Amino acid sequence: EDKVVQSPLSLVVHEGDTVTLNCSYEVTNFRSLLWYKQEKKAPTFLFMLTSSGIEKKSGRLSSILDKKELFSILNITATQTGDSAIYLCAVASGSARQLTFGSGTQLTVLP
Amino acid sequence: NAGVTQTPKFRILKIGQSMTLQCTQDMNHNYMYWYRQDPGMGLKLIYYSVGAGITDKGEVPNGYNVSRSTTEDFPLRLELAAPSQTSVYFCASSYSIQGGNTIYFGEGSWLTVV
Repeated sequence: EDKVVQSPLSLVVHEGDTVTLNCSYEVTNFRSLLWYKQEKKAPTFLFMLTSSGIEKKSGRLSSILDKKELFSILNITATQTGDSAIYLCAVASGSARQLTFGSGTQLTVLP
Repeated sequence: NAGVTQTPKFRILKIGQSMTLQCTQDMNHNYMYWYRQDPGMGLKLIYYSVGAGITDKGEVPNGYNVSRSTTEDFPLRLELAAPSQTSVYFCASSYSIQGGNTIYFGEGSWLTVV
């Protein structure tokens, strides 16, 4: 059974801090790993990673994949209160007909 | 662009009642999905479809049924609602998961069974 584990489950930081969110996976025939941000409604897409060692970057957010060690990290620098959300990691595997989601990391950024 | 539209947004059901969550997408996507999300948890796949006339079970299909008679529509049916089905339900669609395509989510349906 495919498995995606995120850590920490929750995190509280102050504005300006840098955070690192972790996602490890055990899946059959890995295809891609995706990160989503969820703010009380539907998840919104952040990144898709398919190759090891290539950093994807969007503003203060960046992510990288390690296919040998089976994990990914999501970094957020200079955090803002608007970064408060649940961050979800998902993996597409096998025939890539579906995604397996982790339980998410609840990030709270205090002013 | 409408994207993925699901209705209703909120619903309260009594134990044993049945209902259908509607989902439609206007992006001509082949793949459609129903997820549920319990408080503090990630999304769990209920059912998915890779095209009209084809459906398959996900991780938590018990107590639900789906159909896919058209490319656009993928309704989720709850038969004999139980308190354990209290959750937020998300419909989603994608062209495919491969090749850099992501999935697009509806706004969610909050369901309470009392």
